[in-house]
This record gives sequence, C-alpha cells and structure tokens, in this order.
Amino acid sequence: QKEVEQNSGPLSVPEGAIASLNCTYSDRGSQSFFWYRQYSGKSPELIMFIYSNGDKEDGRFTAQLNKASQYVSLLIRDSQPSDSATYLCAVRVGNTGNQFYFGTGTSLTVIP
Amino acid sequence: DADVTQTPRNRITKTGKRIMLECSQTKGHDRMYWYRQDPGLGLRLIYYSFDVKDINKGEISDGYSVSRQAQAKFSLSLESAIPNQTALYFCATSDGTGRSNQPQHFGDGTRLSIL
Repeated sequence: QKEVEQNSGPLSVPEGAIASLNCTYSDRGSQSFFWYRQYSGKSPELIMFIYSNGDKEDGRFTAQLNKASQYVSLLIRDSQPSDSATYLCAVRVGNTGNQFYFGTGTSLTVIP
Repeated sequence: DADVTQTPRNRITKTGKRIMLECSQTKGHDRMYWYRQDPGLGLRLIYYSFDVKDINKGEISDGYSVSRQAQAKFSLSLESAIPNQTALYFCATSDGTGRSNQPQHFGDGTRLSIL
C-alpha cells in the first residue's frame, strides 16, 4: 500500500465549476498535509497546507482534512483554465517530520 | 533570483558518461532532497540530507551518488549514465528547525536525456 494515494484522473470540469481533488494516506502519524500544483514540465508549486482537522480557505482554494478517515481534499472554486495542471498531495510524517511522501498526482483540466 | 537553483536546466548525454547535477539554495534551509520524476510514477526520492554531515538513501538510490558540499549546496552524480535514468530531476529544500510542519520547496528542475 502506498503512503499517499490519489486518483490519477484525468478530472475535467467546466470553467466556473468547483473542482474536487482527493487524497488518502496510510500513516496515522502523519502531521502535515500539503497540496502542490505542477504544470507540465515545471516544478511543483506549493498552494495550500493544512495541519488541523477541518477546513482551511485561501482565496479560491479550500483544503479539508479528516484525520479520523485519513483523508485530505482540495476544492477549487470558480475553476479557471489556468488551473489546468497536475495536483500533488504530500504528507509529512513523524514527530520530527523526517518522512515526506508524495502522491502521484491528479490531472485536472478546466474546459472553457 | 530563484531561492532553489538547479544547473544545468537541460542536459543531453551519452550512455556511460559521468554527469553531475547541481543544486544551490538561498533559503537557509538545512534539509535538501533529490527527486526524479517519470510520467505516471510521480516524484521518487533519490537521496536526502538533513545537514552537511548527514546523507541518506531514498527509494531509488542505486546508480546515483550525492555530495553535500555546504549547507547551501547539494549535488547529484550519475557515475555511469544509462538510458533509463532519463527523467526530470528536482532538488528540494525544507526547514527542519522548529515545528515539523514545513513544506518542501522545489527548484526548476533538470531535464536529463541519456542516449
């Protein structure tokens, strides 16, 4: 079982819709959760992080964490064509945060 | 200027050649990482270092070696390159001091092709 699992997609949504990206993790010692956006051929760019159960909002992005279900999600409201990218879920594990695991990413296409 | 700088950005070379990829950072982070990315396989950790005297193997270290020359510099070497090492390589840094919840920050990547 992989440490971090994501649906590879592709996920397609119309412009203006809400895109919902999901991620599950296996280690209950996971402490920090991150979402990265990666455009084709470019480096991953941090867009959101969350440490506590519940929701965290930043502009059009909302991260949701449920530690009991070992589930973290990213919602993108009012999706734009520029949001078309691969979204990577990452998890940091352990008391000292030494272990850092990435999912394989979900490809999102926003259709104009 | 970029906080995490990788050189070269692109490299084409032949099988059997020795190659060095370099990474330098101005973020003042103690932790540095090398990843490779292949289509469908995501990011795979090659080596990581938590300080100058600390080097650790990652998931796929065979065929690679690293050197942490200073806190700000971490280089990756392919001693004898082979075609299946063709990939996009990323260097990343993170702050290991204080809380454990700091993210990784990536360089722009090196696209390596081995013929």
